[in-house]
Amino acid sequence: SQQGEEDPQALSIQEGENATMNCSYKTSINNLQWYRQNSGRGLVHLILIRSNEREKHSGRLRVTLDTSKKSSSLLITASRAADTASYFCATDAEGVTGGGNKLTFGTGTQLKVEL
Amino acid sequence: DTGVSQDPRHKITKRGQNVTFRCDPISEHNRLYWYRQTLGQGPEFLTYFQNEAQLEKSRLLSDRFSAERPKGSFSTLEIQRTEQGDSAMYLCASSLADRASYEQYFGPGTRLTVT
Repeated sequence: SQQGEEDPQALSIQEGENATMNCSYKTSINNLQWYRQNSGRGLVHLILIRSNEREKHSGRLRVTLDTSKKSSSLLITASRAADTASYFCATDAEGVTGGGNKLTFGTGTQLKVEL
Repeated sequence: DTGVSQDPRHKITKRGQNVTFRCDPISEHNRLYWYRQTLGQGPEFLTYFQNEAQLEKSRLLSDRFSAERPKGSFSTLEIQRTEQGDSAMYLCASSLADRASYEQYFGPGTRLTVT
């Protein structure tokens, strides 16, 4: 079953603008991960944020995590046409040995960046 | 290329036939995961291994599905007596969870079409 819900389901922006996607989830987590998927292809890992972290940066990506609200956001700054893809959040529930368990994915946000 | 490979990339089969997919993870990764993804949805967890031990199976995995990781390296996923509802992308991922590195790296997937 899908645990997470991404919002919005679809987003269309102009190149150079920022894109923000939100994710909500239901259970306690060890970490939350964001993935990108280009049409019909495999998933590419973007960034992981642990449950004791509130914000993390990687290049043009900024991820926030609010465990009290069970929500996360992904910000892509200065977007490019090559960022056009589906973006998924995935939660890794806290297990006996920590993380590294199954990921539960959301339904995804389809981002389109136009020239 | 994440370093995770899957074979075949595409498989077309007739209903009732058996199919087997192979996944080769990143060599030092101890955990290996199988997911299934249908059009417009996020991946759904099927099963995962730590070394050769199968740690968890989803309720999605009916008796027609079996997965193995005989020597803790590559893994196979077999579907017996395929049904049209089995048509999906089957994704494999691996991680180095025993070193608290929980990012999962995905292969390109095997797209199964059951006619």
